[in-house]
Amino acid sequence: DGGITQSPKYLFRKEGQNVTLSCEQNLNHDAMYWYRQDPGQGLRLIYYSQIVNDFQKGDIAEGYSVSREKKESFPLTVTSAQKNPTAFYLCASSITGTSGRRRGGYNEQFFGPGTRLTVL
Amino acid sequence: AQKITQTQPGMFVQEKEAVTLDCTYDTSDPSYGLFWYKQPSSGEMIFLIYQGSYDQQNATEGRYSLNFQKARKSANLVISASQLGDSAIYFCAMRVPGKAAGNKLTFGGGTRVLVKP
Repeated sequence: DGGITQSPKYLFRKEGQNVTLSCEQNLNHDAMYWYRQDPGQGLRLIYYSQIVNDFQKGDIAEGYSVSREKKESFPLTVTSAQKNPTAFYLCASSITGTSGRRRGGYNEQFFGPGTRLTVL
Repeated sequence: AQKITQTQPGMFVQEKEAVTLDCTYDTSDPSYGLFWYKQPSSGEMIFLIYQGSYDQQNATEGRYSLNFQKARKSANLVISASQLGDSAIYFCAMRVPGKAAGNKLTFGGGTRVLVKP
């Protein structure tokens, strides 16, 4: 059964430390995304990748870094440069071409369960 | 720049009744896609329904339907026969068009729905 996994579910970090959030998908999707969600707010795009070894900054990329060495994996590193990293982080993936009215045919994004990061 | 506005921060609905969630959008591009997602308390985002800007008919998926009024730039979600499991936060989102945009989504602030028994 295909899907997206994120680990860990909860993560605690001390100020000044870098931390890496894992995102893995077995849906054979080319595109992957990282979003940040703050309490009572919508999702904001951090980084996205349309293909292996390529990625682009989203709206709030400062203080974050990513890599895309494998199609299945898109880890996000929250660096010490991120001033307010406490948030809920969601990873998503999608196909990149239209393919009709089947699951994924709208290029809709499929989301993982999220990682809740708290800075102590 | 694209913008999505959801003006209802929260609402109560009686079980078995219908509820309409408002969504307005702003874009200068004639080609765009609109999505609705549901976020239960577990946090995961669940895709509900999609409407393309050139679609002739309003989208429907089971108990979900989309009241798409292009001239008013609104894409309201209607949930019929509400169930207790519909209690969640609902997000409206718009896809930025164009290959270079990479299928990015712009999200509204969400509407929290609580279904009362």
